[in-house]
Amino acid sequence: GIQVEQSPPDLILQEGANSTLRCNFSDSVNNLQWFHQNPWGQLINLFYIPSGTKQNGRLSATTVATERYSLLYISSSQTTDSGVYFCAVERTGGSEKLVFGKGTKLTVNP
Amino acid sequence: GAVVSQHPSRVICKSGTSVKIECRSLDFQATTMFWYRQFPKQSLMLMATSNEGSKATYEQGVEKDKFLINHASLTLSTLTVTSAHPEDSSFYICSARDSRTGGDTQYFGPGTRLTVL
Repeated sequence: GIQVEQSPPDLILQEGANSTLRCNFSDSVNNLQWFHQNPWGQLINLFYIPSGTKQNGRLSATTVATERYSLLYISSSQTTDSGVYFCAVERTGGSEKLVFGKGTKLTVNP
Repeated sequence: GAVVSQHPSRVICKSGTSVKIECRSLDFQATTMFWYRQFPKQSLMLMATSNEGSKATYEQGVEKDKFLINHASLTLSTLTVTSAHPEDSSFYICSARDSRTGGDTQYFGPGTRLTVL
């Protein structure tokens, strides 16, 4: 099956810093989503981005499908950004199944 | 936006009992829902795909007789953990897609934390 690798596994920042999270995948995809899992376990949709670039406030994401990677940018980080960020992909021609990476645990200190 | 609810949010049960978890799409219809399992500090693993009006499709290694899935309507899927044991303790999360729009975005419920004593 498709492999999804996220890096770094852990990231510690001071409030106000910027960061880039990476997601590599091993096959062509027709669905890629970024999620933020908050401390209570809720998965929050950040982006649906199988290709191209999107921005939402302090967050933006870019997926280069031909090179099989996606980047999530967090600018001016806040303590509320802490949590685990997951990338999940659906392989092209797959049966709607999302395969998750292992996540990046982000800690933003005040 | 699309909202998915789960009930209960937390359940503690004795070994050998059965537990039912409900997943509802509140403001959209979903012919397909998905059930995931997440162990502490790990990623989400797909357990099964729930199809409205038909049998669920289970991932390899998931016991279909232990994890019973029923998708009786376009807004409700249930997962029943039968004869639960301590190793079934986990965080169970469902997701759904909006059937009307045909979009690929999956929306996730808040999860159910199951503890089996």
